[in-house]
Amino acid sequence: QVQLVQSGSELKKPGASVKVSCKASGYTLTSYGMIWVRQAPGQGLEWMGWINTNSGNPTYAQGFRGRFVFSLDTSVSTAYLQISSLKAEDTAVYYCARKMAVAGHNWFDPWGQGTLVTVSS
Amino acid sequence: SYELTQPPSVSLSPGQTARITCSGDALPKQYAYWYQQKPGQAPVLVIYKDTERPSGIPERFSGSRSGTTVTLTISGVQAEDEADYYCQSADSSATSVVFGGGTKLTVL
Repeated sequence: QVQLVQSGSELKKPGASVKVSCKASGYTLTSYGMIWVRQAPGQGLEWMGWINTNSGNPTYAQGFRGRFVFSLDTSVSTAYLQISSLKAEDTAVYYCARKMAVAGHNWFDPWGQGTLVTVSS
Repeated sequence: SYELTQPPSVSLSPGQTARITCSGDALPKQYAYWYQQKPGQAPVLVIYKDTERPSGIPERFSGSRSGTTVTLTISGVQAEDEADYYCQSADSSATSVVFGGGTKLTVL
C-alpha cells in the first residue's frame, strides 16, 4: 500500500541543523509532488511548501525561505527536509505528505507519521 | 495573507449530527478538502474536492458548500470521531495552500 515513513524524533541544540527523511513506498516517488507541513505543539497545521519530484524544484511558503531546504534522493525514493540554524520556535512535528494534483487543485494523501524536532539547550 | 476560518470547537452527543464550517473568500473559486487528526496521529484525508470521500472513509462523512462556506458533516457521530478537523484550500490564484485553524470535535 502507499506509505510514507519518516525518520525518528530529534533533539537538537539551538544553532544546529537537522535533516528529516520521508521514504515513499507503494508508488513511484517521481509521479507525485511531496509537501511539508509544520505543527507546533498544541497548534494547527502550517503549510511549508512542496517539492516537484520530477525536477527537484522546491517551492517555499512565506516564513520558510532561507533556513529550510527540501531535497530528494530518487534512488531511494526519499524526500528530505533540512532545517539549519535551529531556534527554539522550530520545535514542532514535521509532516511530509503526497501531493495529489488535478487541474491545478491540490490535496494531500497519505501523510507520513510525523517527526518531532525538539530544539533545546 | 489568505485565511480560512473554522470554529475552535464543536461538542455533541453520540448519534447527533456534527457540522463543522470553514469560511474563506476564495472558496467559491477553489475546492475544499478536510482532514481528521486524532491525538498523536498524522492527519487523514476524509473529504476531497468539496464532496468526494476517499475509499475507506465511512459514509457518515460528507461535504457540502454554499457561497464562501464549506461544511463537513458527520451524521450519527461516534466516539471514534473525536478528533481535530482541518479544512484546506488555496487562495484565489491557486498559488498558496492554506489550512484552517482546526476544529476540535468532542463527543460527550
